[in-house]
Amino acid sequence: GESVGLHLPTLSVQEGDNSIINCAYSNSASDYFIWYKQESGKGPQFIIDIRSNMDKRQGQRVTVLLNKTVKHLSLQIAATQPGDSAVYFCAEKAGADGLTFGKGTHLIIQP
Amino acid sequence: SQTIHQWPATLVQPVGSPLSLECTVEGTSNPNLYWYRQAAGRGLQLLFYSVGIGQISSEVPQNLSASRPQDRQFILSSKKLLLSDSGFYLCAWSSGQPQHFGDGTRLSIL
Repeated sequence: GESVGLHLPTLSVQEGDNSIINCAYSNSASDYFIWYKQESGKGPQFIIDIRSNMDKRQGQRVTVLLNKTVKHLSLQIAATQPGDSAVYFCAEKAGADGLTFGKGTHLIIQP
Repeated sequence: SQTIHQWPATLVQPVGSPLSLECTVEGTSNPNLYWYRQAAGRGLQLLFYSVGIGQISSEVPQNLSASRPQDRQFILSSKKLLLSDSGFYLCAWSSGQPQHFGDGTRLSIL
């Protein structure tokens, strides 16, 4: 069936480096994508979203890239900080359907 | 600004006991409301959603039920808990997109 998944379950980066978290989706009808950050023991926190009519969207230290040709979504975090340690989820939505979440990538920041 | 509250934060219940988890939203009217379950190391599974008072849609067959007695109140219930009901339960709200989550309830069944 249709699914959203992540390439890497764990990503370890040095503090100050840029982080790139990837996500593949299979539903070609998906028209809305979103990234969440979930810290231990807390609920997911909205980071950034993008609609399928865009290829790139930037926020504060974060950028989301969407490649509809290969059904790939990425989250880039600039100058990674210790507070960025968390599990990051991508999710996709097709029309009036609900969000479908990936399993998440655990981002670990090394000092 | 909008806020969402879930309680309790943690709950330990024996098998066969009833359950009631509550979620309330402030600062918005007629939100869409959602209940999710998150197993350890897994993504979020949608259990129920509601587009209005008394309107509940169930996504998966299970031992749980949901109710929306007021516009900004969403309740997750069970008459008799099973071991498999253990997990992290998250409530969320939206007016369009995105969905905004509460801090969840960690439910342990003994």
